[in-house]
Amino acid sequence: KAGVTQTPRYLIKTRGQQVTLSCSPISGHRSVSWYQQTPGQGLQFLFEYFSETQRNKGNFPGRFSGRQFSNSRSEMNVSTLELGDSALYLCASSPDGSSGNTIYFGEGSWLTVV
Amino acid sequence: AQSVTQLGSHVSVSEGALVLLRCNYSSSVPPYLFWYVQYPNQGLQLLLKYTSAATLVKGINGFEAEFKKSETSFHLTKPSAHMSDAAEYFCAVISGTGGYNKLIFGAGTRLAVHP
Repeated sequence: KAGVTQTPRYLIKTRGQQVTLSCSPISGHRSVSWYQQTPGQGLQFLFEYFSETQRNKGNFPGRFSGRQFSNSRSEMNVSTLELGDSALYLCASSPDGSSGNTIYFGEGSWLTVV
Repeated sequence: AQSVTQLGSHVSVSEGALVLLRCNYSSSVPPYLFWYVQYPNQGLQLLLKYTSAATLVKGINGFEAEFKKSETSFHLTKPSAHMSDAAEYFCAVISGTGGYNKLIFGAGTRLAVHP
């Protein structure tokens, strides 16, 4: 069974640009969540989607958005990039909406903003 | 609000020694607790999780953790460290009732294993 797949793995963007990151969850998983990891702030929750609906949202500005498709694949978008958006973005998937399910993470997308 | 505190940002042990990584949580409801490991330039791998079935939880790679409600702790242990255990370890809690899959992470503990 394939794990959580994130693309691209590495990317470099310029300030002011936008970026879209993609995540394919484990087959059969319906919940997808996103996290940002930086040396200064650690691991922070961005948002979670379940059955194409955003169910939870972290404390990030509106420049950060996401969506989930009917096949459970998810994308997150960051507009008007700032230097501080440089981070590892991790996607995670889980079977369903229940708390306590095992949550599996992908390898992440490394975003560098210059 | 739920939170997690990991005591010690860096822990160093000798190969073969006991590994003890500390995690304390704050939660107003029975928590779901997790330990993840992150190797350099990789994502997070689940070591083990507590979901109220048993207080002593066994995970992968010889790790285990004990849930102690009275101490609000969920410390991670391994009897004998191996060089391959060198990594960063994160304790996490599911946030609140209806927290679904929103993990709140501790700051992490970097484990170094020396010969």
